[in-house]
Amino acid sequence: SQTIHQWPATLVQPVGSPLSLECTVEGTSNPNLYWYRQAAGRGLQLLFYSVGIGQISSEVPQNLSASRPQDRQFILSSKKLLLSDSGFYLCAWSWESGYTFGSGTRLTVV
Amino acid sequence: GQQVMQIPQYQHVQEGEDFTTYCNSSTTLSNIQWYKQRPGGHPVFLIQLVKSGEVKKQKRLTFQFGEAKKNSSLHITATQTTDVGTYFCAGLFNTGTASKLTFGTGTRLQVML
Repeated sequence: SQTIHQWPATLVQPVGSPLSLECTVEGTSNPNLYWYRQAAGRGLQLLFYSVGIGQISSEVPQNLSASRPQDRQFILSSKKLLLSDSGFYLCAWSWESGYTFGSGTRLTVV
Repeated sequence: GQQVMQIPQYQHVQEGEDFTTYCNSSTTLSNIQWYKQRPGGHPVFLIQLVKSGEVKKQKRLTFQFGEAKKNSSLHITATQTTDVGTYFCAGLFNTGTASKLTFGTGTRLQVML
């Protein structure tokens, strides 16, 4: 069966520090992968999606970047975090009927 | 760009009362999906509706997709405390390279004893 792993679960980082969040999928090949961000009490905003290795599409201009070095690995990064980068980051993969989300990373930038 | 609006933003009900959340898109959708997010958790897929006018049921939950495929609703009959959470609709817009979900703003349901 397909599973999606996301880590870490929580993260507190100082302003200006780098960021790397990793997401891996098991049990499927060539999945479409997505990074979403959810501000506290708000909806989900699509940040990046990828249809294959090295293929990244950005939805909104921001301080973040994404990479897909392997088929089932999706990484969200930043060189220098801003306070406004705080939020709940969710990785997801799509299958024919829906999306499966990882358990998310709660990032607090202080 | 594509937008999906959802109302109400919050809903408090007494246990046993019914609950409905409504979702509207600015453009025609390929399909619509519904997700539930428990407090502190991540969204979990509930259902997908594809056909115009489609109605699907899951126990006490009834999902409808509008005839024009621009709106949808989720109705919960006789709410229970286990129904607490935020319900999101999400519209699927085909871009040619990847289908992208655009999430509604969500309806937070609180069930009071």
